[in-house]
Amino acid sequence: QVTLRESGPALVKPTQTLTLTCTFSGFSLSTSGMCVSWIRQPPGKALEWLALIDWDDDKYYSTSLKTRLTISKDTSKNQVVLTMTNMDPVDTATYYCARIKDYGDYVLFDYWGQGTLVTVSS
Amino acid sequence: SSELTQDPAVSVALGQTVRITCQGDSLRSYYASWYQQKPGQAPVLVIYGKNNRPSGIPDRFSGSSSGNTASLTITGAQAEDEADYYCNSRDSSGWVFGGGTKLTVL
Repeated sequence: QVTLRESGPALVKPTQTLTLTCTFSGFSLSTSGMCVSWIRQPPGKALEWLALIDWDDDKYYSTSLKTRLTISKDTSKNQVVLTMTNMDPVDTATYYCARIKDYGDYVLFDYWGQGTLVTVSS
Repeated sequence: SSELTQDPAVSVALGQTVRITCQGDSLRSYYASWYQQKPGQAPVLVIYGKNNRPSGIPDRFSGSSSGNTASLTITGAQAEDEADYYCNSRDSSGWVFGGGTKLTVL
């Protein structure tokens, strides 16, 4: 049974750094083709892809947020960590982590965490 | 950066067929995946690849693709299908989601 769970602060102040942890079970991020991604969704708005790390420790970032994001994994703990620097109120959103299976010409975000709401406010 | 464009809102009468579309250059190279999201819930994968449904997704959901357009079709829409639907694909610099389509079942 695959599960993912996001954890981190519910409230951060502007200019602070956000650190979110995705703890997962039911699969190994060492398995070829497995990836974990972060996606966010501002209240009432669309999903936005943020970052992805794959089984080979390759990392990919949203072009618009690349300078602020860092993704890493701890395979032994089954965790993926996302940090986002210089937080702003526009970064207020529900942040999701998801498992991705990459088949080359298509990918599927097949399991999602329940999401964690992060509010940026002074 | 690549974009995926969806109609913001679509409606369908109960039991009728509805098509939700997604347009973008990346769809010429990659298949779309489709996600259903109900209020307060995480997205759920409903279609991926050429036309594949995860276990547990009703067969009234189907997918297709032509050129730069991917489509999600619901044949015989049910009240529980009322939700937001998002397309997603790989693009040249990462992955991208469409802006979402709010489906109303009348």
